[in-house]
Amino acid sequence: ELKVEQNPLFLSMQEGKNYTIYCNYSTTSDRLYWYRQDPGKSLESLFVLLSNGAVKQEGRLMASLDTKARLSTLHITAAVHDLSATYFCAVVGQRNQFYFGTGTSLTVIP
Amino acid sequence: NAGVMQNPRHLVRRRGQEARLRCSPMKGHSHVYWYRQLPEEGLKFMVYLQKENIIDESGMPKERFSAEFPKEGPSILRIQQVVRGDSAAYFCASSPRSGRVDEQYFGPGTRLTVT
Repeated sequence: ELKVEQNPLFLSMQEGKNYTIYCNYSTTSDRLYWYRQDPGKSLESLFVLLSNGAVKQEGRLMASLDTKARLSTLHITAAVHDLSATYFCAVVGQRNQFYFGTGTSLTVIP
Repeated sequence: NAGVMQNPRHLVRRRGQEARLRCSPMKGHSHVYWYRQLPEEGLKFMVYLQKENIIDESGMPKERFSAEFPKEGPSILRIQQVVRGDSAAYFCASSPRSGRVDEQYFGPGTRLTVT
């Protein structure tokens, strides 16, 4: 079974600071997704990364993918309170099922 | 274009009762995936269905859980004789086809509470 690990599990950061969330996965996959989930809500798609070296940016969030290292990162630049949420990475299996990481609960402190 | 719809959004059952969760995929989507999210955890794949077929049920518990996606109507996830450990959020996702670079679209989830 494909395993996906995220770290850290919990992240508390001050507004204006930068930080990176890491996502490691165990076997080859050709797609990796990042999602955001607010408490009691469904998942909001942030990024899909399709190839080695892919980098995507939206606002203060930037995601990258290294398929050789089986590693994706989600970098947060100059955090603001609105970014407080839980972030999940997900890797796609052979039958298009998603394998999710454990999640990173981000709290941005004013 | 309506998104993925799930109902009910909240469901309370007593231990031993049955729970039926419904998922209507996006228009034009014929593939449905069910995931379970336990409190403070990520989503775990349960089952993948196409119309009238179960493609992959490797994530389904062996007993009490079943899923179907009939030719007409929504996909149903059925949990018989619920126990407290079944309390979780259940999400379905749909996609138009498999084997392509197509994103899954997630529904709002059904939050099941077993008392």
